Amino acid sequence: AQSVTQLGSHVSVSEGALVLLRCNYSSSVPPYLFWYVQYPNQGLQLLLKYTSAATLVKGINGFEAEFKKSETSFHLTKPSAHMSDAAEYFCAVRGSGGGADGLTFGKGTHLIIQP
Amino acid sequence: DAGITQSPRHKVTETGTPVTLRCHQTENHRYMYWYRQDPGHGLRLIHYSYGVKDTDKGEVSDGYSVSRSKTEDFLLTLESATSSQTSVYFCAISESRGRQETQYFGPGTRLLVL
Repeated sequence: AQSVTQLGSHVSVSEGALVLLRCNYSSSVPPYLFWYVQYPNQGLQLLLKYTSAATLVKGINGFEAEFKKSETSFHLTKPSAHMSDAAEYFCAVRGSGGGADGLTFGKGTHLIIQP
Repeated sequence: DAGITQSPRHKVTETGTPVTLRCHQTENHRYMYWYRQDPGHGLRLIHYSYGVKDTDKGEVSDGYSVSRSKTEDFLLTLESATSSQTSVYFCAISESRGRQETQYFGPGTRLLVL
């Protein structure tokens, strides 16, 4: 069984400041981890994914995430926030069962960018 | 966008009526999924399919049934809609590249059950 915890349902940062969205997971098997972004009234867009090839993963829009097995974490960061980053962010985990595994999502973090 | 469409995009219905949501994909993906999204819960898996006529239950399958008679279509049916099924419903496919599988999502269907 897998689970995901996203710390902070809302995170507010100033434009130009560092963005840090936290994600911790639990998994009985080596996990595949994902971050998705959802803009208002839209579907989910894949930001980046960890699939064991490298612990530091770079995604779209300047985001990156680092897989830390010892901390069971996969935090999402961006050095400098932009107004267009305001959205809902979801961390998700999947086991190693291939396509038969659905994703288990965290509850989401709403990112607010202050001008 | 992985060629996923959902219909209808918005629907208002009354308690006790049947409702069917359709997910259509154009790229012959084997795996398809239905999730629901609710505030404070993120997305939760309802049902998934691993081929024509092959489906299985997810975390929140009670009150829902699915069918897949063609590779490209995955239908979600609420046999008798309840207010607790008011939600946003997302369809997803799983795209495989080597051993890596990534899920891509459709635009969603907003369902309001009065």
